[in-house]
Amino acid sequence: AQSVTQLDSQVPVFEEAPVELRCNYSSSVSVYLFWYVQYPNQGLQLLLKYLSGSTLVKGINGFEAEFNKSQTSFHLRKPSVHISDTAEYFCAVSYGGSQGNLIFGKGTKLSVKP
Amino acid sequence: NAGVTQTPKFQVLKTGQSMTLQCAQDMNHNSMYWYRQDPGMGLRLIYYSASEGTTDKGEVPNGYNVSRLNKREFSLRLESAAPSQTSVYFCASSTDRVIDYGYTFGSGTRLTVV
Repeated sequence: AQSVTQLDSQVPVFEEAPVELRCNYSSSVSVYLFWYVQYPNQGLQLLLKYLSGSTLVKGINGFEAEFNKSQTSFHLRKPSVHISDTAEYFCAVSYGGSQGNLIFGKGTKLSVKP
Repeated sequence: NAGVTQTPKFQVLKTGQSMTLQCAQDMNHNSMYWYRQDPGMGLRLIYYSASEGTTDKGEVPNGYNVSRLNKREFSLRLESAAPSQTSVYFCASSTDRVIDYGYTFGSGTRLTVV
């Protein structure tokens, strides 16, 4: 079955430290990958997406993600986090081509401590 | 601002009561979705509508009904609320080519069933 796995449910980190949030997806011929962020008591917002081309994708707020086809991963990274990055992050995958519905991971709560 | 509007933002129901969650989008999107978010479970698709006049079941449709009233509006109805339906409900919309912009989410409805 098609699935998305976020390997860490919670990631605590100190301010200005680097962070990596991990996401793996089921192997498929073609996939489109997304990261969303949800700040407390808000809806989800698109951070970045990978459709094709360069495997390193840059998004808003200094986040970037790298598509690795051989490892079926799409990990999210930021070199230096801020308190304001405290939020829940969701990885999502479209397996059904350009019109396929998104399948979401269970989310990773990033907690940035001063 | 253009986007997805959900009403109400908060609701408390007694077991057995019914209610309808409203969702409207002003982005001329064809596709609309209802998700529920529970701690540790991520986002689970309840129903979706690929176009006006069509609806399809998602992963967790039991206990819910939907109506795609027109292109703008997609409502979710709980006929006889149960405590297991306590959750945060999100509506989302997208263009036909989901990968172009991903989903646009509303800010959610926090429902408590007592």
